[in-house]
Amino acid sequence: AQRVTQPEKLLSVFKGAPVELKCNYSYSGSPELFWYVQYSRQRLQLLLRHISRESIKGFTADLNKGETSFHLKKPFAQEEDSAMYYCALSNAGNMLTFGGGTRLMVKP
Amino acid sequence: DAGVIQSPRHEVTEMGQEVTLRCKPISGHDYLFWYRQTMMRGLELLIYFNNNVPIDDSGMPEDRFSAKMPNASFSTLKIQPSEPRDSAVYFCASRIAGTGGEQYFGPGTRLTVT
Repeated sequence: AQRVTQPEKLLSVFKGAPVELKCNYSYSGSPELFWYVQYSRQRLQLLLRHISRESIKGFTADLNKGETSFHLKKPFAQEEDSAMYYCALSNAGNMLTFGGGTRLMVKP
Repeated sequence: DAGVIQSPRHEVTEMGQEVTLRCKPISGHDYLFWYRQTMMRGLELLIYFNNNVPIDDSGMPEDRFSAKMPNASFSTLKIQPSEPRDSAVYFCASRIAGTGGEQYFGPGTRLTVT
């Protein structure tokens, strides 16, 4: 069975501080991992996916198969980054299994 | 395109009543997903359809829940009878085959059962 774990329900940092949102997964196959974000009063939307290896809004995430992790990082947090972040794993591209989510609060 | 459309946005009902949530996926998308979001359990997949056919309903909590997709542009999630523990935000999402995990979410329906 596949599982996604986000150990922190809430992460609070000051503006300009580095951010790391943790995500660990368990999956027997070759995983496809994603980060979704939900800003206040907006719908859930894709932030980035591991196969793209891209940086979106300053965020990056590296898949570490040895540690089964896909942590989301940003060197300098901005207030507009405050949102709910979900890590998700795809099995063969159909279903998504989501982690419990981490609420990021960036304080001024 | 207006994106995935869900109605109603808010629903308040009494225990025992029937509740019907509606979803219109993005035109051309052939997968449709229903999720439930609660503080305790996070975001859970309830059921998903491919080309209007239910593929996996293992996440549907019990027989009180049912979902249909009569055509490519409409789906419903019905709860009958509703219970207070069904209170949650219900999301619908859709995607095109071959795009991997990128799903497009609707704004959600906040259901409160008193």
